[in-house]
Amino acid sequence: GESVGLHLPTLSVQEGDNSIINCAYSNSASDYFIWYKQESGKGPQFIIDIRSNMDKRQGQRVTVLLNKTVKHLSLQIAATQPGDSAVYFCAEKEGQAGTALIFGKGTTLSVSS
Amino acid sequence: KAGVTQTPRYLIKTRGQQVTLSCSPISGHRSVSWYQQTPGQGLQFLFEYFSETQRNKGNFPGRFSGRQFSNSRSEMNVSTLELGDSALYLCASSLGFSRETQYFGPGTRLLVL
Repeated sequence: GESVGLHLPTLSVQEGDNSIINCAYSNSASDYFIWYKQESGKGPQFIIDIRSNMDKRQGQRVTVLLNKTVKHLSLQIAATQPGDSAVYFCAEKEGQAGTALIFGKGTTLSVSS
Repeated sequence: KAGVTQTPRYLIKTRGQQVTLSCSPISGHRSVSWYQQTPGQGLQFLFEYFSETQRNKGNFPGRFSGRQFSNSRSEMNVSTLELGDSALYLCASSLGFSRETQYFGPGTRLLVL
């Protein structure tokens, strides 16, 4: 079936490094992509989103890149901090499916100081 | 503005019982979606409601049901609980039935014994 997946289940970085979390999607009809951060005991927190008519979008310390040719999505976190330690999920939506999100399995980011 | 709230936060039930979970969306949000999160399956879409109508449904058995009230608050019900229903149940709200960002609540942790 069609799903969104992440390349690595875990990623460990040093404080101050830049982190890159990758995600591959298989549904060509998906036109909206979102990154969420989930800390232990909490619900997913919105980080940044991007529509399929864009290939890059920047937020505060975060950048999302979308490569529709290879169906790849990445989240870049600049100057990673211990507070960034969490599970990161990418999710996709099809326009026809309304607001239903399809989530990837998640990447656990561990930041050591 | 208050975020999405879910009650109760924790719940313990036994097999065969039923359970009702509640979700209050962000003020002004009219769309509510429900997700089940488990370590094995990750985040899976259950259903979404807009204007008191179920607009979309995921691949879950009929034991899972929901409804939305005129004030956009939503409830989901699981009947004849099974051990495999143990999960974190997340509610997300968005402004409307389209591709707006979904904001998640903290979830209800359900344990079925």
